[in-house]
Amino acid sequence: GQQLNQSPQSMFIQEGEDVSMNCTSSSIFNTWLWYKQDPGEGPVLLIALYKAGELTSNGRLTAQFGITRKDSFLNISASIPSDVGIYFCAGQLRAGGTSYGKLTFGQGTILTVHP
Amino acid sequence: DTGVSQNPRHKITKRGQNVTFRCDPISEHNRLYWYRQTLGQGPEFLTYFQNEAQLEKSRLLSDRFSAERPKGSFSTLEIQRTEQGDSAMYLCASSLQAANTGELFFGEGSRLTVL
Repeated sequence: GQQLNQSPQSMFIQEGEDVSMNCTSSSIFNTWLWYKQDPGEGPVLLIALYKAGELTSNGRLTAQFGITRKDSFLNISASIPSDVGIYFCAGQLRAGGTSYGKLTFGQGTILTVHP
Repeated sequence: DTGVSQNPRHKITKRGQNVTFRCDPISEHNRLYWYRQTLGQGPEFLTYFQNEAQLEKSRLLSDRFSAERPKGSFSTLEIQRTEQGDSAMYLCASSLQAANTGELFFGEGSRLTVL
């Protein structure tokens, strides 16, 4: 089946630093999404990308949909302590109007921010 | 609160017992999804409903698992004869069909521990 490889697995950074993480796939996707999950909570959507090459920002977060449709990256600028959590990439391959919401997730990147 | 609601949040059971989880989606959302998340991994798709119809099931959903959404509103996920390998966080998500974006709104999850 489809696999998403997310890297790095974990990051330890100082407050104020920028962060970059990426996700690669063995197959193409039509949609890439980035979620954040806090301990004991469900994932929360951060950014959704719908077109190859698309670059989208949400506050200090910027994400891009790779040209090959097999990768995506997420950048966080000027990190703050509340950025701590697990970041997941997810891909969706739509087929004939079905399978919306059937997402394939990466393994996650654990982000720790030191004040 | 108008988010996705799941209960119970935590369930500890003995191997062989049956358990049932409930999910109440965002009220205007007609699509409802179940995902499973094990420690250190991203969520994995189990099944989804459009209104009351169950449209897709993953191969992860063995015969011991059954999901229903009888009136197209809340959903239940039952696991019969639980096994230790069933221990995981069970996440419910909902979305609006008309949006067709793949953007899911997750609940806080129901954590199952099978002893």
